[in-house]
Amino acid sequence: RKEVEQDPGPFNVPEGATVAFNCTYSNSASQSFFWYRQDCRKEPKLLMSVYSSGNEDGRFTAQLNRASQYISLLIRDSKLSDSATYLCVVSPKTSYDKVIFGPGTSLSVIP
Amino acid sequence: DTEVTQTPKHLVMGMTNKKSLKCEQHMGHRAMYWYKQKAKKPPELMFVYSYEKLSINESVPSRFSPECPNSSLLNLHLHALQPEDSALYLCASSPSGQGWTGELFFGEGSRLTVL
Repeated sequence: RKEVEQDPGPFNVPEGATVAFNCTYSNSASQSFFWYRQDCRKEPKLLMSVYSSGNEDGRFTAQLNRASQYISLLIRDSKLSDSATYLCVVSPKTSYDKVIFGPGTSLSVIP
Repeated sequence: DTEVTQTPKHLVMGMTNKKSLKCEQHMGHRAMYWYKQKAKKPPELMFVYSYEKLSINESVPSRFSPECPNSSLLNLHLHALQPEDSALYLCASSPSGQGWTGELFFGEGSRLTVL
């Protein structure tokens, strides 16, 4: 089983739609969870951290379920500029440990 | 603009060549990483340096040799590579220790083609 798994995608949604991405991780010792975004031929950039209590940043909401080892990202009112690959990222402990990227889910927002 | 600088941006080399990729950051970060990314795949961890010491080597073939000469620099020495090593090589850095937000600061990458 892969350490981090995501919805295979791609997701093609119209502008204004709500879209949800799911991610599961296998290492129960994982302690830090993140969503990164990667635009085509660009480097990955941090979108948001994921906290146990759930957290929101504008149109983006992230949830973590430690018991199920499951992470989600919800994007509301999709914009064309949201088109990118969304990467679920998991780390066991600290910044100098194994920061592992999931396979990514591609999102295309269509006019 | 990224605060992690990678050079060169593009590199073409033969299988018998020796070349190096360079990465530099001046954010005072003490953890630095090399990732390899193939097309339509996620970044794959290769090496992690913490306080200039190699802390993780993800069973990378010895034809890739990392070096961290000081806290700002990270090199990846390449020798006798294979065509399947062609990929985007991403360098990243992060603060270490408590209070880490989870953000890895990536450079724009070095796109390597092995002929």
